[in-house]
Amino acid sequence: DVKVTQSSRYLVKRTGEKVFLECVQDMDHENMFWYRQDPGLGLRLIYFSYDVKMKEKGDIPEGYSVSREKKERFSLILESASTNQTSMYLCASTAGTATNYGYTFGSGTRLTVV
Amino acid sequence: AQTVTQSQPEMSVQEAETVTLSCTYDTSESDYYLFWYKQPPSRQMILVIRQEAYKQQNATENRFSVNFQKAAKSFSLKISDSQLGDAAMYFCAYRRYNNNDMRFGAGTRLTVKP
Repeated sequence: DVKVTQSSRYLVKRTGEKVFLECVQDMDHENMFWYRQDPGLGLRLIYFSYDVKMKEKGDIPEGYSVSREKKERFSLILESASTNQTSMYLCASTAGTATNYGYTFGSGTRLTVV
Repeated sequence: AQTVTQSQPEMSVQEAETVTLSCTYDTSESDYYLFWYKQPPSRQMILVIRQEAYKQQNATENRFSVNFQKAAKSFSLKISDSQLGDAAMYFCAYRRYNNNDMRFGAGTRLTVKP
């Protein structure tokens, strides 16, 4: 069964901490994504990557960075966590562009910044 | 940027009845894909149904079907014979052809009453 695995289901961090959210997929997908999900706002794209070491900004990249050193792993980094980054974070992956494939999602990490 | 609008934050349906969730989108593209995702309390996003814009025939997956109106930029989801397990958040999503990043609506929370 294909999978996208997010390392933590729940996470509590302090303001100003550096936070790493990890995502691993086992489907050999080229494309990986980080979204944050907030009530009433749906899913908003933070960053995505279409290849190793490649990254593109999404709609809300401020305060975040990403790393993709290996094809299967895509990390989201909060350089200095703030309370307004308390949210649900979803990782997803998909195969190449000209397909009608949807995404495969991880189960999400609920991050609370105190 | 493309936008996806779900105008119903919450919907309710009686078990075994039919419910329709609305979605509209804004795009200047002619080729694209549309999706409905389900997010149950487990938080795992599940692809329910997909539609290619070039196909006039509406997609159907068992009890789930769509009404795709390309000119009106409308993509509603019909759930027939609703079951308790259908209770979830439902997200409408748009993806441009040959482009990876997907745009989501704000979601509709569906309650199924026994």
